[in-house]
Amino acid sequence: EPEVTQTPSHQVTQMGQEVILRCVPISNHLYFYWYRQILGQKVEFLVSFYNNEISEKSEIFDDQFSVERPDGSNFTLKIRSTKLEDSAMYFCASSERRWGGELFFGEGSRLTVL
Amino acid sequence: AQTVTQSQPEMSVQEAETVTLSCTYDTSESNYYLFWYKQPPSRQMILVIRQEAYKQQNATENRFSVNFQKAAKSFSLKISDSQLGDTAMYFCAFMKPTQGGSEKLVFGKGTKLTVNP
Repeated sequence: EPEVTQTPSHQVTQMGQEVILRCVPISNHLYFYWYRQILGQKVEFLVSFYNNEISEKSEIFDDQFSVERPDGSNFTLKIRSTKLEDSAMYFCASSERRWGGELFFGEGSRLTVL
Repeated sequence: AQTVTQSQPEMSVQEAETVTLSCTYDTSESNYYLFWYKQPPSRQMILVIRQEAYKQQNATENRFSVNFQKAAKSFSLKISDSQLGDTAMYFCAFMKPTQGGSEKLVFGKGTKLTVNP
């Protein structure tokens, strides 16, 4: 069964360093998302991506964050200069349809910023 | 802004019994979707069941069913004949339509369900 894969599963980085989290969505899906969950808190929406551009982003998704789909298969989230408060589990998701569609999630990438 | 509240941080149930997880939400929208997602330990979130607000009939998927009370803004999940594999974190989530964008999910904090043998 097709699934969303994410790498790395866990990354430890120093504050101020750049981090790239990678995702391979399901191949025929058109809508892509990043969510994050800080320990003990809710899963929060970061950004959605369709047709090679950002559809919507949350207030969390500031200039330090960027997304791209460089080669038609990978979907990446870049954090330019990490802060302690960026420590969280980051989930990638994809869906085939927009309204009411099932989101297929990856297992997550745990980011620890020291 | 939409909010989703799951008032039960943890629950447990004996194998083969029935358990109900509660979820309430706040919105001024008339049409929206509600979802229950399940996240087993160290695994990805998977969809359990979804309900469109315009549909009056409660959704069912095998042992999983919902009690959707639109006026009360309540969306509870009932799991019948609980199995050990149902042990997971369960998230209630809300989706409303947007203009031109990709609809996003708003999640509750989750309920950790343990099924005991």
